[in-house]
Amino acid sequence: DTEVTQTPKHLVMGMTNKKSLKCEQHMGHRAMYWYKQKAKKPPELMFVYSYEKLSINESVPSRFSPECPNSSLLNLHLHALQPEDSALYLCASSQAGLAGGPDNEQFFGPGTRLTVL
Amino acid sequence: EDQVTQSPEALRLQEGESSSLNCSYTVSGLRGLFWYRQDPGKGPEFLFTLYSAGEEKEKERLKATLTKKESFLHITAPKPEDSATYLCAVQPPSTINTGTASKLTFGTGTRLQVTL
Repeated sequence: DTEVTQTPKHLVMGMTNKKSLKCEQHMGHRAMYWYKQKAKKPPELMFVYSYEKLSINESVPSRFSPECPNSSLLNLHLHALQPEDSALYLCASSQAGLAGGPDNEQFFGPGTRLTVL
Repeated sequence: EDQVTQSPEALRLQEGESSSLNCSYTVSGLRGLFWYRQDPGKGPEFLFTLYSAGEEKEKERLKATLTKKESFLHITAPKPEDSATYLCAVQPPSTINTGTASKLTFGTGTRLQVTL
């Protein structure tokens, strides 16, 4: 099973709202990722968790707050977003392999389409 | 700085008309090159991983090849359902220093449309 699930599929929120995006995988992967994708652009990395620890933060504004409660779950907490944050938010996971080893392909979820009004 | 360039930006083919998509990269010590397919409004779907020059992989009408400077995604006798954006991504050796997660650099993609 190479499935990553994301909820909700669509989210509309005001600039003062607090909401969360959720991601789940049951492939035993120990690396999980959040990406942001604007229309006709490639995915843009936001955060990486490796063995439930935050290993990469690509200078993302603090209004985005990631959380990895366990090895299968990844959350992205949203607060005081701006209209320019509207985008497709993608979660991905990969095996946390040894350096130089194979099996680092990332499997993506279907995404959450976020609209900030 | 690692760079990934895909060409063409857009490609329109008739059903059955074979062609190739290009992904060129400037990465020293490539650790892996990945091809994904993405349908509008959906997450990228993993297609292939290539690790070394000369390597080839096939899946149905798709065949991916890798040289030291570029990768090609060959589409043989495409069908309308092959219409999608095809993304190339590279994994540079610098990811070794970030632990065990992989950090990808994506190209901007090729939007493929296959018509009847």
